[in-house]
Amino acid sequence: GAVVSQHPSRVICKSGTSVKIECRSLDFQATTMFWYRQFPKQSLMLMATSNEGSKATYEQGVEKDKFLINHASLTLSTLTVTSAHPEDSSFYICSARSERGGTDTQYFGPGTRLTVL
Amino acid sequence: QKEVEQDPGPLSVPEGAIVSLNCTYSNSAFQYFMWYRQYSRKGPELLMYTYSSGNKEDGRFTAQVDKSSKYISLFIRDSQPSDSATYLCAMSLMTTDSWGKLQFGAGTQVVVTP
Repeated sequence: GAVVSQHPSRVICKSGTSVKIECRSLDFQATTMFWYRQFPKQSLMLMATSNEGSKATYEQGVEKDKFLINHASLTLSTLTVTSAHPEDSSFYICSARSERGGTDTQYFGPGTRLTVL
Repeated sequence: QKEVEQDPGPLSVPEGAIVSLNCTYSNSAFQYFMWYRQYSRKGPELLMYTYSSGNKEDGRFTAQVDKSSKYISLFIRDSQPSDSATYLCAMSLMTTDSWGKLQFGAGTQVVVTP
């Protein structure tokens, strides 16, 4: 199957700092990547759609100035949580869209656990 | 009403039993259907992918789609303790303004006891 990596896997930061999370598709090119947020025992909540070479599309209620997304290449998208606060603590997961083998689906990264003190 | 309904469980079964999971949906425009498995503190892993009504089998897993009833199922045969995880159904519209976006169910927690 397709492999998607995320870095870092876990990060702890102080309130007011910014944190960057990287999402890479390792063995395929992804023109579209997605960023999700997941709270404990809940399903994934789509935050934004990241398209290579263009601006991200944010879901309703997601602050684009707080969650900066950059998709600079076909294998890398980054999510920067700016001026993080404790309520931003969550599990952030990215996915990359793949059209390999005649399918059209998403492969997920392992997630990044963010804790803001 | 949510677009995709899935019982959160937990669903507890003895080792070797068949695990039966299902989701219902309200939007008949959904075209692609997926099942993901998520272990605690990990990202979801794609298990099955279907786009037509009927059954699709892969090893111990069988995915079933009934578009007329707006109902999808996942069956796991000969369940093992390592199958203990949360199983998420997901589906997509593949329309211009929702291209590639997935709608997820809440996820069903499955516990397979030795």
